[in-house]
Amino acid sequence: AQSVAQPEDQVNVAEGNPLTVKCTYSVSGNPYLFWYVQYPNRGLQFLLKYITGDNLVKGSYGFEAEFNKSQTSFHLKKPSALVSDSALYFCAVRAPYNQGGKLIFGQGTELSVKP
Amino acid sequence: DSGVTQTPKHLITATGQRVTLRCSPRSGDLSVYWYQQSLDQGLQFLIQYYNGEERAKGNILERFSAQQFPDLHSELNLSSLELGDSALYFCASSAPRGERQPQHFGDGTRLSIL
Repeated sequence: AQSVAQPEDQVNVAEGNPLTVKCTYSVSGNPYLFWYVQYPNRGLQFLLKYITGDNLVKGSYGFEAEFNKSQTSFHLKKPSALVSDSALYFCAVRAPYNQGGKLIFGQGTELSVKP
Repeated sequence: DSGVTQTPKHLITATGQRVTLRCSPRSGDLSVYWYQQSLDQGLQFLIQYYNGEERAKGNILERFSAQQFPDLHSELNLSSLELGDSALYFCASSAPRGERQPQHFGDGTRLSIL
């Protein structure tokens, strides 16, 4: 079975510092990995994806993620955090198409960026 | 704006009642997914439709049902509501055969059972 884990419920960062939100996955076959962000009272917004190719993936709002096959990780990163980055972040893996292609989410990580 | 529209934004009702949540996918998307978000269960997949047909089922209760209409909008019907059904219900859509593409989410319907 496919699964995703986000080991940290909360990450606290000072504005201007680099941030990392961790994600590990367990899949059979090649993983299709995604990061989403959720602001209060809003839906999930797509940030970036890894399908194949370069291990460093660049996404929206200056975010990037590093795919590491040997460590089965897909950590979200940003070189310089903004207060406006404070939100709930979800890592997800997509089930195979023959299983409907649903997204399987991690528990979510609350990112708090303080001025 | 994701292009996915969900109505209503909020629903407040009582136990034992029935409600219908509506979703309009992005233009051109044939797949519609329903998810439930709650504090204790996190984000859980409920059901998927593709071009009018049920494609996959997740942790969806028998009291819940869904359908996708010829114009591709979808409805999620929740009946015999219980306090534990209080949650945020999201609809998402994706492109045809778009397993490599992201799903795009609506802003959700917040269901409160009193």
